[in-house]
Amino acid sequence: KQEVTQIPAALSVPEGENLVLNCSFTDSAIYNLQWFRQDPGKGLTSLLLIQSSQREQTSGRLNASLDKSSGRSTLYIAASQPGDSATYLCAVYTGANNLFFGTGTRLTVIP
Amino acid sequence: EAGVAQSPRYKIIEKRQSVAFWCNPISGHATLYWYQQILGQGPKLLIQFQNNGVVDDSQLPKDRFSAERLKGVDSTLKIQPAKLEDSAVYLCASSYPGLITDTQYFGPGTRLTVL
Repeated sequence: KQEVTQIPAALSVPEGENLVLNCSFTDSAIYNLQWFRQDPGKGLTSLLLIQSSQREQTSGRLNASLDKSSGRSTLYIAASQPGDSATYLCAVYTGANNLFFGTGTRLTVIP
Repeated sequence: EAGVAQSPRYKIIEKRQSVAFWCNPISGHATLYWYQQILGQGPKLLIQFQNNGVVDDSQLPKDRFSAERLKGVDSTLKIQPAKLEDSAVYLCASSYPGLITDTQYFGPGTRLTVL
């Protein structure tokens, strides 16, 4: 069974700092990996989706990488801002449209 | 484009009571998902519909949970009777046309507290 782990569970950084969030998964037979952002009391917003054949995706200050063979992904956030404070979830797509989520990393960016 | 709508946003009930949640997906999205997110955990898929048919309900506790998607649009998720461990956020998501590489769009969720 696919298991997705995210480290660290919580992270506090001062504004302007670059940071990396980690995600690992146990079964490398995935179709793609997705990073989501979740704000308190709100649903999930998709940030980046990396196909299994890709190594990375970039959107603005965000860069996500995927090493499928080792079962790892990272989300790099450059020049962090207080508005980046949220919980970040990674999820892997397996067959039959199943999304397996990690437990999330709660990020706090301190002004 | 309107997003996924869910109601109610919050619900507090006592154990053994019944509760129902409603979801209206993005127009034209054939696939609809219900997830359960317990505090401190990632969302877990409960049931997936393709139009009005069930694709996957392997993690739905069928002795107390039920879901339907009549006419292939709106969906309701019901819990009867509720237990303390059902306290969670229930998220609805939809996608089009439900391909493997497609993105799921999530609603704001319904936060259920069972006392």
